[in-house]
Amino acid sequence: DGGITQSPKYLFRKEGQNVTLSCEQNLNHDAMYWYRQDPGQGLRLIYYSQIVNDFQKGDIAEGYSVSREKKESFPLTVTSAQKNPTAFYLCASSQAYSTGELFFGEGSRLTVL
Amino acid sequence: DAKTTQPTSMDCAEGRAANLPCNHSTISGNEYVYWYRQIHSQGPQYIIHGLKNNETNEMASLIITEDRKSSTLILPHATLRDTAVYYCIVRVEGDYKLSFGAGTTVTVRA
Repeated sequence: DGGITQSPKYLFRKEGQNVTLSCEQNLNHDAMYWYRQDPGQGLRLIYYSQIVNDFQKGDIAEGYSVSREKKESFPLTVTSAQKNPTAFYLCASSQAYSTGELFFGEGSRLTVL
Repeated sequence: DAKTTQPTSMDCAEGRAANLPCNHSTISGNEYVYWYRQIHSQGPQYIIHGLKNNETNEMASLIITEDRKSSTLILPHATLRDTAVYYCIVRVEGDYKLSFGAGTTVTVRA
C-alpha cells in the first residue's frame, strides 16, 4: 500500500528532552512537509523540503529541526528549545511542481509531562 | 495572514446537500482554490481544487464565482461520515507553502 507512515502515534516526553518523530513515504514524492496542530486550531507549517538534502523553514520553525537525507524520509526533532511542544504533528508529501494535492499521514500526538 | 474566510461551523441534515462557503476576495489570477477536510484526529484529506471553472469529482463539486472572490464546496448527499473540519485554501501553483486556517466544522445530523 502506498502512503505515509508516521511513528510513534503517541509519545510522552519529559521537559528538557529532545524527541524525534518519524515520517516515511513510499509514494515517490519529492516534497515533504511537517505541520503542527493545536486543539481547535488549523495546521501551521513547521518545515518543508522540496528535494533531498534541502529544506526550508515554515511559519513556526523555532525549536524544531529536520533532515532530508533520503527521498522517502523526513524526520522531525522537537528540541528542548520548543517552549510549548505538546501538540498533534502531521507529516505530508506531494509531487514536485504539482497542483498541490498533499497526502497526509495519520499524525503523531506528543505530550510533554 | 488569512487569505480565506470561512464560517466557524455549520450543521446539515443527512441526505441533503451541504453547501460550504469560502471568501477569498484578495485571490490572485494564478492562485488555485483547494478544499481539504479533516476527520477528528486524522490527517487532512484532499477533496478538490480549481482555478476558475467549476469542478466536480466523486466526492464533491466546487463552484467558483466569476470574479473568483468566493467559492462554494458542495457535498451532494451528506452522510454522517462527512462530519469533519473543512479547509478552504488558496495557493499559487508550484508554491510549496500550503497554509491551513481554522476551517469550518461541519456536523451532519441524522
